[in-house]
Amino acid sequence: GENVEQHPSTLSVQEGDSAVIKCTYSDSASNYFPWYKQELGKGPQLIIDIRSNVGEKKDQRIAVTLNKTAKHFSLHITETQPEDSAVYFCAARTGFQKLVFGTGTRLLVSP
Amino acid sequence: ETGVTQSPTHLIKTRGQQVTLRCSSQSGHNTVSWYQQALGQGPQFIFQYYREEENGRGNFPPRFSGLQFPNYSSELNVNALELDDSALYLCASSFSGLNTEAFFGQGTRLTVV
Repeated sequence: GENVEQHPSTLSVQEGDSAVIKCTYSDSASNYFPWYKQELGKGPQLIIDIRSNVGEKKDQRIAVTLNKTAKHFSLHITETQPEDSAVYFCAARTGFQKLVFGTGTRLLVSP
Repeated sequence: ETGVTQSPTHLIKTRGQQVTLRCSSQSGHNTVSWYQQALGQGPQFIFQYYREEENGRGNFPPRFSGLQFPNYSSELNVNALELDDSALYLCASSFSGLNTEAFFGQGTRLTVV
């Protein structure tokens, strides 16, 4: 079955810096890759996603890139703000099947 | 804010008891999935319901069961609770179709003592 690895587990940046979180997946049939932000005591919030027919997608300060050949995808956050501090999860899905999540990255943005 | 609501938000149960968790899906969504999130871990897929039938299951024992109702809301039932069942239980709703977005509720924090 699908396996998703995520790095780093923790990431500390200064406000205004960029943050990059990387994930790799094992199932070459996976074709949908969402990213979720989870704040303390809340459920995961979908922040951006990418499908396998697209190499890059951007939404304001957030972008995601996908390399199907290498089976990895990354989340890029520019001009980080303290409110970006949270745990971020990548996930992969094959067709109609379940989402398989990475282990999460705790992002801390210091003022 | 998503339209997915879960109840209750917190509960405490004793080992061996049974528990029912509830989820109302977002308007227009006909598919509900349940996930278990242990502390410090990513969510793990339990099962998915579509048209009131289970159509996918993760690596969870049969004492984890569910229902989906005609209005697409759903229940997760766990029998014979064990201490390791303590976790955040998340419900996600989506519209059936290839690569559609899944939106999560705020979760139910279950503590088994």
